[in-house]
Amino acid sequence: DAKTTQPPSMDCAEGRAANLPCNHSTISGNEYVYWYRQIHSQGPQYIIHGLKNNETNEMASLIITEDRKSSTLILPHATLRDTAVYYCIVRVAISGGSYIPTFGRGTSLIVHP
Amino acid sequence: DAGVIQSPRHEVTEMGQEVTLRCKPISGHDYLFWYRQTMMRGLELLIYFNNNVPIDDSGMPEDRFSAKMPNASFSTLKIQPSEPRDSAVYFCASSGGMNTEAFFGQGTRLTVV
Repeated sequence: DAKTTQPPSMDCAEGRAANLPCNHSTISGNEYVYWYRQIHSQGPQYIIHGLKNNETNEMASLIITEDRKSSTLILPHATLRDTAVYYCIVRVAISGGSYIPTFGRGTSLIVHP
Repeated sequence: DAGVIQSPRHEVTEMGQEVTLRCKPISGHDYLFWYRQTMMRGLELLIYFNNNVPIDDSGMPEDRFSAKMPNASFSTLKIQPSEPRDSAVYFCASSGGMNTEAFFGQGTRLTVV
């Protein structure tokens, strides 16, 4: 599986967009990019995933570069409740579309007033 | 669905005692994962099951750890005998069916004194 690199920490002002980068330069053509976050004392929570096209849902947007070597998770209007550790995962789908989430250290995002 | 349910939420036990952690996955999911999270090592995958069968237990740290999934709606992670270094938060997750992402429980915080 492709290795990912994320900055250990970032901060963002409340109401501003939070842009969290992830490098995955060894990604293969059939590997998806998934993002999870973990709010303190809770289990990780799925945010969004994509293969090559940009994706958007009610939580965030995912921008994947054309060469797929990096991606950015965008929280368009960060709130204090978005303070969490954000994990970028690159995984090959296994049978039935499932995959095995394997986590690195992630990015600790602090949203301040 | 109530999501992935883990019990107990907190467990304090003395060194040498047997500890059993329980997990109820989301109905219809055919993959179940057990993770351990510590400050030092982050989120580590211990073992995962597919259709109640253990597929990969290479992450289980020692023979003191064992996991079972007797049916599609229940799994246990047992530590016997427990040691202080087993203190961590243990997460269970499930995936499958219409969902490719994994859903995590709230975790069990284990303290071995």
